[in-house]
Amino acid sequence: DAGVIQSPRHEVTEMGQEVTLRCKPISGHNSLFWYRQTMMRGLELLIYFNNNVPIDDSGMPEDRFSAKMPNASFSTLKIQPSEPRDSAVYFCASSFPGQGASTDTQYFGPGTRLTVL
Amino acid sequence: KQEVTQIPAALSVPEGENLVLNCSFTDSAIYNLQWFRQDPGKGLTSLLLIQSSQREQTSGRLNASLDKSSGRSTLYIAASQPGDSATYLCAVMDSSYKLIFGSGTRLLVRP
Repeated sequence: DAGVIQSPRHEVTEMGQEVTLRCKPISGHNSLFWYRQTMMRGLELLIYFNNNVPIDDSGMPEDRFSAKMPNASFSTLKIQPSEPRDSAVYFCASSFPGQGASTDTQYFGPGTRLTVL
Repeated sequence: KQEVTQIPAALSVPEGENLVLNCSFTDSAIYNLQWFRQDPGKGLTSLLLIQSSQREQTSGRLNASLDKSSGRSTLYIAASQPGDSATYLCAVMDSSYKLIFGSGTRLLVRP
C-alpha cells in the first residue's frame, strides 16, 4: 500500500493567493483528518471527515479555510486568501474502520510544507 | 480543555542507554493514548496505542504505560540506538474522538 498521499509536498505562494492542498487516504479507510503543525502551536486538528461527511470543523481557524471530501479517495484543503501566518506543515491522516474509534490508529501522510510570503 | 504536556522537550543519550519519555494530560476522560514518532521532514508514525482500559502496551524495545487516574503516560525505550533519534509525540483521544497532541520530545541517540 502506498500509504496516505499528499500533494504538493512543498508550496510557496504569495499573500492573497489561493492555495489548494490535496490528500488521498489509504484505500478502505473511512475517516480522514487534516492537521496543521507549527513551531508555536504544535500539531492541531483542523477538521475530520467520516464516510466523506465533515464531522468536526471546530479547529478550522477562520472562513478563509475550507475542506471538502467529494469521494472516499480524495480530499482538499483550501485557503483563500492565504496569509503569511498560514505558513505551516499541513498533514492529512486516515484511519481504518476498526472496532470503534477508540481503537483506530491514524496513518499520516508526509505533509505539505506551505510558505506564504 | 484537554492539555497534553511532554517532558523533557529534548533529550540526548549515548547509544545503549535505556530511557523514559514522559507525557501528562489534564483530563482523564480519554478513549486512548497514543505515542507517535516523527522524523525530520516526515509524517507521523504510530508506535503504540493504549486504550483507556489498559495499563500498558509493548512493541519490541518499546513499552508504554498509562495511568489514567493520575493523567500520566511513559514511553520506555530499551537499549537505545542511533536509529531511534526522532521526535516522539504523545496524543490523547478526547471524549469527542479528537486527538490532542503534546509538543513532543526531541531525542538524539549518540553513537
